[in-house]
Amino acid sequence: AQSVTQPDIHITVSEGASLELRCNYSYGATPYLFWYVQSPGQGLQLLLKYFSGDTLVQGIKGFEAEFKRSQSSFNLRKPSVHWSDAAEYFCAVYNTNAGKSTFGDGTTLTVKP
Amino acid sequence: SAVISQKPSRDICQRGTSLTIQCQVDSQVTMMFWYRQQPGQSLTLIATANQGSEATYESGFVIDKFPISRPNLTFSTLTVSNMSPEDSSIYLCSFEGGVGNEQFFGPGTRLTVL
Repeated sequence: AQSVTQPDIHITVSEGASLELRCNYSYGATPYLFWYVQSPGQGLQLLLKYFSGDTLVQGIKGFEAEFKRSQSSFNLRKPSVHWSDAAEYFCAVYNTNAGKSTFGDGTTLTVKP
Repeated sequence: SAVISQKPSRDICQRGTSLTIQCQVDSQVTMMFWYRQQPGQSLTLIATANQGSEATYESGFVIDKFPISRPNLTFSTLTVSNMSPEDSSIYLCSFEGGVGNEQFFGPGTRLTVL
């Protein structure tokens, strides 16, 4: 069965600093991978996705992620964090056979002024 | 992209009562999903709802506790039955679409059971 691990429960960065959120997955075939963001009191919004092609994918709000098959990773990055990026971030993998997604436990991002 | 809404946005309920959450999409979608997000935790899939058939429940969730309706391609309801404080969670509906099967989420229903 597929699984997603987000090793960092909570990350704090200063505004303007770079950010990397880690995501490791376990899936037997080529994965469909996603990063979602959940701001307080909101539903989840898709940041970016990978399902084929270029392993470096660009998303909204200046985020990018790189799919590394050899490391089973799909880490999310942003070169300069803004205070409005403070939120919960979820990595997810889609199981094409089962027709459903599995979510990681999430990483809470705090941005210091 | 389609807009998805949920009602109510939040509710406080008494133990032993039931609450029905409504999910409306402004376009027709094939599969809809219901998730539970307990405080400080990730999303757990409750069930998948296809129009015209019974919902498919994940391990640990049963129809008697979480009956789901899917009367048409734009609407679904989830009922949380005979509630206890352990049911206090955010309940999210979603549907699948786009290339790569991304999911679009409603804003969630924050349920507190006293």
